[in-house]
Amino acid sequence: QKEVEQNSGPLSVPEGAIASLNCTYSDRVSQSFFWYRQYSGKSPELIMSIYSNGDKEDGRFTAQLNKASQYVSLLIRDSQPSDSATYLCAVNPNDYKLSFGAGTTVTVRA
Amino acid sequence: GAVVSQHPSWVICKSGTSVKIECRSLDFQATTMFWYRQFPKQSLMLMATSNEGSKATYEQGVEKDKFLINHASLTLSTLTVTSAHPEDSSFYICSASIRGPGDTQYFGPGTRLTVL
Repeated sequence: QKEVEQNSGPLSVPEGAIASLNCTYSDRVSQSFFWYRQYSGKSPELIMSIYSNGDKEDGRFTAQLNKASQYVSLLIRDSQPSDSATYLCAVNPNDYKLSFGAGTTVTVRA
Repeated sequence: GAVVSQHPSWVICKSGTSVKIECRSLDFQATTMFWYRQFPKQSLMLMATSNEGSKATYEQGVEKDKFLINHASLTLSTLTVTSAHPEDSSFYICSASIRGPGDTQYFGPGTRLTVL
């Protein structure tokens, strides 16, 4: 079982819709969770970090964490063509390094 | 805040030569820096983790003698690809964290290496 698994893409959504990205992790003691966005040919950029159960909102982005279910998600509201990218879920299973998922590619159709 | 730079942004070299890539944290001191490699349409692959003043910790399968990492200060880490070959052509990305390996990682813009 992979440490971090993301829902397979690509995910295509119309402009203005909500894009929902899911991520599950295997190590129950994980404490830190991150979402990164990576445009094609570019390096990842941090969108959000979340540490506690519940929702965390930042602009059009909402991260949701459920440690009991070992699940973290990212919602993108009012999706824009500029949101078209690969989204990486990262989990800290220890204090050594982050474990990254393979990523979910999102395409927002104008 | 939390800006990480890399230099060069791209490099083309001949097979057998060595290439040095610099990674700098511009507005913070990085306790830990990381080096990743990414092939087209593949996920990030962690190569090594380095802390200032100590030897880097390499991931399994990464050749220490081929990929030399030096973390000379809290704001600078370098990756040297020695005797580069075409199969080393890839996108090399560094990242840095403020409080340690499990903390938020801030990524540099990456260096695209092409070995002819």
